[in-house]
Amino acid sequence: DSGVTQTPKHLITATGQRVTLRCSPRSGDLSVYWYQQSLDQGLQFLIQYYNGEERAKGNILERFSAQQFPDLHSELNLSSLELGDSALYFCASSAWTGLNGNTIYFGEGSWLTVV
Amino acid sequence: AQKITQTQPGMFVQEKEAVTLDCTYDTSDQSYGLFWYKQPSSGEMIFLIYQGSYDEQNATEGRYSLNFQKARKSANLVISASQLGDSAMYFCAMRDTQGGSEKLVFGKGTKLTVNP
Repeated sequence: DSGVTQTPKHLITATGQRVTLRCSPRSGDLSVYWYQQSLDQGLQFLIQYYNGEERAKGNILERFSAQQFPDLHSELNLSSLELGDSALYFCASSAWTGLNGNTIYFGEGSWLTVV
Repeated sequence: AQKITQTQPGMFVQEKEAVTLDCTYDTSDQSYGLFWYKQPSSGEMIFLIYQGSYDEQNATEGRYSLNFQKARKSANLVISASQLGDSAMYFCAMRDTQGGSEKLVFGKGTKLTVNP
């Protein structure tokens, strides 16, 4: 158990819909990351938040957005869903403070299927 | 930009034998970190081992060890005494800290199959 909690574990939705994926980081971790894993693209970094503020953006579509709340949990919102958005979405967390050396732990992932 | 290369799409090993999974990396940074993760068929991403670029000794965690050769820019994972439960995808990743942020750059992974 990594200590990173993601919900839901599985989600099936229709094209055009909107879903929200939720993540609770490890206790004490201020940094949260979202990754997408698909068969054709592999593991892609989407976005990083640190203590409520966005720190880095990767290959995140405009239809996707995220935020980190004061209690440090994070949500990834996916809207106008397309078949190609079907993937495994990971949340990860670390005690990152801007320096190297900390470990990054992943949650179990949320499987999203768009039909 | 950082890049991770895993050249072995699939590897097979007999139970109780050792296996080495290859990982080479490319970076211009002097300070960096390398990770290995295991992903079983159930999907979760499990942290195995970490090596910092300034660590003088190769990292070890139980049956996992990292063969770190800085000059060759390689960070191979060695699994000793393979078990059936080691069958999974294995990903090598590098920490990218450009721009004052942090993310991991992953390789494409190696699928390890442990045969009884």
